Amino acid sequence: KQEVTQIPAALSVPEGENLVLNCSFTDSAIYNLQWFRQDPGKGLTSLLLIQSSQREQTSGRLNASLDKSSGRSTLYIAASQPGDSATYLCAVYSGGYQKVTFGIGTKLQVIP
Amino acid sequence: EAGVAQSPRYKIIEKRQSVAFWCNPISGHATLYWYQQILGQGPKLLIQFQNNGVVDDSQLPKDRFSAERLKGVDSTLKIQPAKLEDSAVYLCASSLDRAETQYFGPGTRLLVL
Repeated sequence: KQEVTQIPAALSVPEGENLVLNCSFTDSAIYNLQWFRQDPGKGLTSLLLIQSSQREQTSGRLNASLDKSSGRSTLYIAASQPGDSATYLCAVYSGGYQKVTFGIGTKLQVIP
Repeated sequence: EAGVAQSPRYKIIEKRQSVAFWCNPISGHATLYWYQQILGQGPKLLIQFQNNGVVDDSQLPKDRFSAERLKGVDSTLKIQPAKLEDSAVYLCASSLDRAETQYFGPGTRLLVL
Protein backbone atom coordinates (compact mmCIF):
# COMPACT_ATOMS: atom_id res chain seq x y z
CA LYS A 1 0.00 0.00 0.00
CA GLN A 2 1.39 3.36 -1.07
CA GLU A 3 1.97 5.90 1.72
CA VAL A 4 2.80 9.53 1.10
CA THR A 5 4.39 11.76 3.73
CA GLN A 6 4.92 15.50 3.60
CA ILE A 7 7.31 17.28 5.93
CA PRO A 8 7.08 19.81 7.45
CA ALA A 9 3.37 20.01 8.21
CA ALA A 10 3.59 23.78 8.45
CA LEU A 11 6.15 26.38 7.43
CA SER A 12 6.37 30.13 7.95
CA VAL A 13 8.90 32.20 5.99
CA PRO A 14 9.53 35.90 5.32
CA GLU A 15 8.68 37.26 1.89
CA GLY A 16 11.44 36.86 -0.69
CA GLU A 17 12.91 33.70 0.77
CA ASN A 18 13.49 30.59 -1.33
CA LEU A 19 11.98 27.44 0.14
CA VAL A 20 11.71 23.69 -0.36
CA LEU A 21 8.75 21.46 0.39
CA ASN A 22 9.25 17.71 0.70
CA CYS A 23 7.21 14.71 -0.33
CA SER A 24 8.23 11.08 0.26
CA PHE A 25 6.52 7.88 -0.84
CA THR A 26 7.00 4.24 0.15
CA ASP A 27 6.49 2.44 -3.18
CA SER A 28 8.94 3.73 -5.79
CA ALA A 29 7.10 2.04 -8.70
CA ILE A 30 5.11 5.15 -9.57
CA TYR A 31 3.67 6.43 -12.83
CA ASN A 32 3.46 10.15 -12.12
CA LEU A 33 3.63 12.61 -9.25
CA GLN A 34 1.61 15.78 -9.08
CA TRP A 35 1.90 18.88 -6.88
CA PHE A 36 -1.19 20.92 -5.97
CA ARG A 37 -1.97 24.00 -3.94
CA GLN A 38 -5.15 24.43 -1.94
CA ASP A 39 -6.40 27.77 -0.70
CA PRO A 40 -8.69 27.82 2.37
CA GLY A 41 -12.22 26.70 1.50
CA LYS A 42 -11.30 26.01 -2.11
CA GLY A 43 -10.61 23.03 -4.31
CA LEU A 44 -7.14 21.98 -5.42
CA THR A 45 -5.18 23.68 -8.20
CA SER A 46 -2.62 21.69 -10.15
CA LEU A 47 0.88 23.16 -10.13
CA LEU A 48 3.11 20.60 -11.80
CA LEU A 49 2.93 17.00 -12.94
CA ILE A 50 6.15 15.00 -13.22
CA GLN A 51 6.13 11.80 -15.22
CA SER A 52 8.11 8.86 -13.85
CA SER A 53 10.65 9.19 -16.69
CA GLN A 54 11.36 12.83 -15.82
CA ARG A 55 13.59 14.21 -13.10
CA GLU A 56 12.13 17.70 -12.87
CA GLN A 57 9.52 20.13 -14.12
CA THR A 58 9.51 23.91 -13.99
CA SER A 59 6.74 26.49 -14.10
CA GLY A 60 7.62 30.09 -13.39
CA ARG A 61 9.03 30.34 -9.86
CA LEU A 62 8.25 26.68 -9.16
CA ASN A 63 10.54 23.73 -9.75
CA ALA A 64 9.61 20.17 -8.82
CA SER A 65 12.12 17.34 -8.78
CA LEU A 66 11.59 13.59 -8.61
CA ASP A 67 13.96 10.89 -7.35
CA LYS A 68 12.11 7.61 -7.74
CA SER A 69 14.88 5.44 -6.35
CA SER A 70 14.84 7.25 -3.02
CA GLY A 71 11.07 7.78 -3.03
CA ARG A 72 11.26 11.56 -2.84
CA SER A 73 10.05 14.69 -4.56
CA THR A 74 10.73 18.30 -3.70
CA LEU A 75 8.91 21.48 -4.67
CA TYR A 76 11.18 24.51 -4.79
CA ILE A 77 9.57 27.95 -4.62
CA ALA A 78 11.82 30.85 -5.52
CA ALA A 79 11.40 34.38 -4.17
CA SER A 80 8.31 33.57 -2.13
CA GLN A 81 5.39 36.03 -2.07
CA PRO A 82 2.43 36.44 0.33
CA GLY A 83 0.19 35.12 -2.46
CA ASP A 84 2.03 31.81 -2.21
CA SER A 85 0.44 31.23 1.20
CA ALA A 86 -1.62 28.05 0.89
CA THR A 87 -1.47 24.33 1.62
CA TYR A 88 0.71 22.38 -0.81
CA LEU A 89 -0.13 18.73 -1.46
CA CYS A 90 1.61 16.05 -3.42
CA ALA A 91 -0.16 13.12 -5.03
CA VAL A 92 1.40 9.90 -6.29
CA TYR A 93 -0.04 7.66 -9.02
CA SER A 94 0.95 4.01 -8.57
CA GLY A 95 -0.33 0.46 -8.75
CA GLY A 96 -2.28 -1.45 -11.35
CA TYR A 97 -4.88 1.26 -11.93
CA GLN A 98 -2.54 4.21 -11.42
CA LYS A 99 -4.29 4.74 -8.09
CA VAL A 100 -3.74 8.20 -6.63
CA THR A 101 -2.58 8.69 -3.04
CA PHE A 102 -2.29 12.12 -1.44
CA GLY A 103 -0.13 13.39 1.38
CA ILE A 104 -1.71 15.56 4.08
CA GLY A 105 0.04 18.67 2.83
CA THR A 106 2.37 21.41 4.02
CA LYS A 107 0.71 24.63 5.14
CA LEU A 108 2.85 27.53 3.97
CA GLN A 109 2.62 31.08 5.30
CA VAL A 110 4.68 33.80 3.64
CA ILE A 111 4.95 36.84 5.88
CA PRO A 112 5.14 40.28 4.20
CA GLU B 1 -12.74 26.00 -21.19
CA ALA B 2 -15.25 25.41 -18.41
CA GLY B 3 -13.91 23.82 -15.24
CA VAL B 4 -15.30 21.04 -13.10
CA ALA B 5 -18.71 21.95 -11.69
CA GLN B 6 -20.10 20.66 -8.42
CA SER B 7 -23.37 21.19 -6.60
CA PRO B 8 -24.52 21.92 -4.03
CA ARG B 9 -21.66 23.91 -2.48
CA TYR B 10 -22.92 23.43 1.07
CA LYS B 11 -25.26 20.94 2.69
CA ILE B 12 -26.41 20.47 6.28
CA ILE B 13 -28.36 17.32 7.17
CA GLU B 14 -29.31 15.30 10.23
CA LYS B 15 -27.66 11.93 10.81
CA ARG B 16 -29.46 9.01 9.18
CA GLN B 17 -30.72 11.28 6.38
CA SER B 18 -29.61 10.82 2.77
CA VAL B 19 -27.73 13.28 0.57
CA ALA B 20 -26.54 13.41 -3.04
CA PHE B 21 -23.76 15.36 -4.70
CA TRP B 22 -23.44 16.11 -8.39
CA CYS B 23 -20.35 16.60 -10.54
CA ASN B 24 -19.97 17.72 -14.15
CA PRO B 25 -16.40 17.11 -15.36
CA ILE B 26 -14.48 18.95 -18.04
CA SER B 27 -15.75 17.96 -21.48
CA GLY B 28 -13.81 15.09 -23.00
CA HIS B 29 -12.22 13.93 -19.75
CA ALA B 30 -12.41 10.15 -19.47
CA THR B 31 -11.36 9.84 -15.82
CA LEU B 32 -13.47 11.12 -12.94
CA TYR B 33 -12.57 11.00 -9.24
CA TRP B 34 -14.52 11.52 -6.03
CA TYR B 35 -12.58 12.36 -2.87
CA GLN B 36 -13.44 12.90 0.78
CA GLN B 37 -11.35 15.52 2.56
CA ILE B 38 -11.64 15.78 6.33
CA LEU B 39 -10.36 18.98 7.91
CA GLY B 40 -6.58 18.95 8.24
CA GLN B 41 -6.10 15.89 6.06
CA GLY B 42 -5.30 15.23 2.44
CA PRO B 43 -8.00 14.09 0.02
CA LYS B 44 -8.93 10.41 0.30
CA LEU B 45 -9.92 8.72 -2.93
CA LEU B 46 -13.42 7.23 -2.69
CA ILE B 47 -14.02 6.11 -6.26
CA GLN B 48 -12.43 6.47 -9.68
CA PHE B 49 -14.31 6.10 -12.97
CA GLN B 50 -12.83 5.51 -16.40
CA ASN B 51 -15.59 6.61 -18.80
CA ASN B 52 -18.64 5.02 -17.17
CA GLY B 53 -16.83 2.06 -15.59
CA VAL B 54 -15.48 1.86 -12.02
CA VAL B 55 -11.68 1.49 -11.88
CA ASP B 56 -11.18 1.69 -8.11
CA ASP B 57 -13.69 1.86 -5.27
CA SER B 58 -11.63 0.10 -2.62
CA GLN B 59 -12.03 2.93 -0.09
CA LEU B 60 -15.72 3.57 -0.69
CA PRO B 61 -17.88 2.54 2.31
CA LYS B 62 -20.25 0.57 0.17
CA ASP B 63 -22.78 -0.07 2.93
CA ARG B 64 -23.74 3.62 2.82
CA PHE B 65 -22.03 5.28 -0.15
CA SER B 66 -22.86 4.77 -3.81
CA ALA B 67 -21.79 6.50 -6.98
CA GLU B 68 -22.56 6.37 -10.66
CA ARG B 69 -21.37 8.09 -13.79
CA LEU B 70 -24.10 8.60 -16.33
CA LYS B 71 -23.12 7.95 -19.96
CA GLY B 72 -19.50 8.58 -19.04
CA VAL B 73 -20.11 12.26 -18.30
CA ASP B 74 -21.87 13.56 -15.15
CA SER B 75 -21.56 11.74 -11.86
CA THR B 76 -23.49 11.57 -8.61
CA LEU B 77 -22.28 10.46 -5.18
CA LYS B 78 -24.89 9.45 -2.61
CA ILE B 79 -24.71 8.81 1.11
CA GLN B 80 -27.55 6.89 2.76
CA PRO B 81 -27.81 6.95 5.74
CA ALA B 82 -25.35 9.67 6.77
CA LYS B 83 -23.25 9.45 9.92
CA LEU B 84 -21.63 12.21 11.93
CA GLU B 85 -18.19 11.14 10.71
CA ASP B 86 -19.25 11.82 7.10
CA SER B 87 -18.89 15.55 7.77
CA ALA B 88 -16.22 16.59 5.28
CA VAL B 89 -15.63 18.27 1.95
CA TYR B 90 -16.42 16.09 -1.05
CA LEU B 91 -14.25 16.90 -4.03
CA CYS B 92 -14.73 15.89 -7.63
CA ALA B 93 -11.88 15.94 -10.14
CA SER B 94 -11.42 14.92 -13.76
CA SER B 95 -8.53 14.24 -16.11
CA LEU B 96 -8.08 13.38 -19.77
CA ASP B 97 -6.92 9.90 -18.82
CA ARG B 98 -5.58 7.99 -15.81
CA ALA B 99 -2.49 9.47 -14.15
CA GLU B 100 -2.87 12.70 -16.14
CA THR B 101 -3.22 16.18 -14.65
CA GLN B 102 -6.30 16.36 -12.45
CA TYR B 103 -8.60 19.38 -12.39
CA PHE B 104 -10.70 19.86 -9.28
CA GLY B 105 -14.11 21.36 -8.67
CA PRO B 106 -14.77 23.72 -5.75
CA GLY B 107 -16.10 20.91 -3.54
CA THR B 108 -19.25 20.33 -1.50
CA ARG B 109 -18.99 21.00 2.23
CA LEU B 110 -21.19 18.53 4.15
CA LEU B 111 -22.12 18.93 7.79
CA VAL B 112 -23.96 16.06 9.47
CA LEU B 113 -25.66 17.00 12.77
